[in-house]
Amino acid sequence: EPEVTQTPSHQVTQMGQEVILRCVPISNHLYFYWYRQILGQKVEFLVSFYNNEISEKSEIFDDQFSVERPDGSNFTLKIRSTKLEDSAMYFCASRPLYTDTQYFGPGTRLTVL
Amino acid sequence: DAKTTQPPSMDCAEGRAANLPCNHSTISGNEYVYWYRQIHSQGPQYIIHGLKNNETNEMASLIITEDRKSSTLILPHATLRDTAVYYCIVYGGSQGNLIFGKGTKLSVKP
Repeated sequence: EPEVTQTPSHQVTQMGQEVILRCVPISNHLYFYWYRQILGQKVEFLVSFYNNEISEKSEIFDDQFSVERPDGSNFTLKIRSTKLEDSAMYFCASRPLYTDTQYFGPGTRLTVL
Repeated sequence: DAKTTQPPSMDCAEGRAANLPCNHSTISGNEYVYWYRQIHSQGPQYIIHGLKNNETNEMASLIITEDRKSSTLILPHATLRDTAVYYCIVYGGSQGNLIFGKGTKLSVKP
């Protein structure tokens, strides 16, 4: 069964550094999402992406964040200058055109020191 | 904020049915009820969804009341691997995002 994959599984970085989190959505899916979950807290929506542009973004998704679909398979989340409070699990999700059901990847644990 | 209310925790004996309730009294006519679960810190896993009819798949059954203000997720024969946080989410629209609450932490005990 097709799955959303994410790399790396764990990323450790220094405060102020740039990080890129990578996702490979399910191949025939057209809508892509990023969510995050700070340890012990709720899963929070960051951004949705369709047709090569951002559809919707939350207040969390400020100018430090950007998303890109650099080729036909990858979907990336970039954090330009990481802060301690960016430490969280980051989940990618995707869905096809014909259903609202989103399928999530296993997540990337980002630790900012 | 989440449009649903769930008990924070429930216990269930292994092999028995787990019935997880959810209240969504402000649900709109075009909004679906979705259920996801999260095991430890893994990515949320889709379980089932429905609009107004009861639904069943290989994982679970979803019972939605006639007025659509509440629903119950049923895991017919819970196993230890069903221990997880279960999220009931009201969701609609073609480009909407999922709004997660705190969910119900289900503990399946031997």
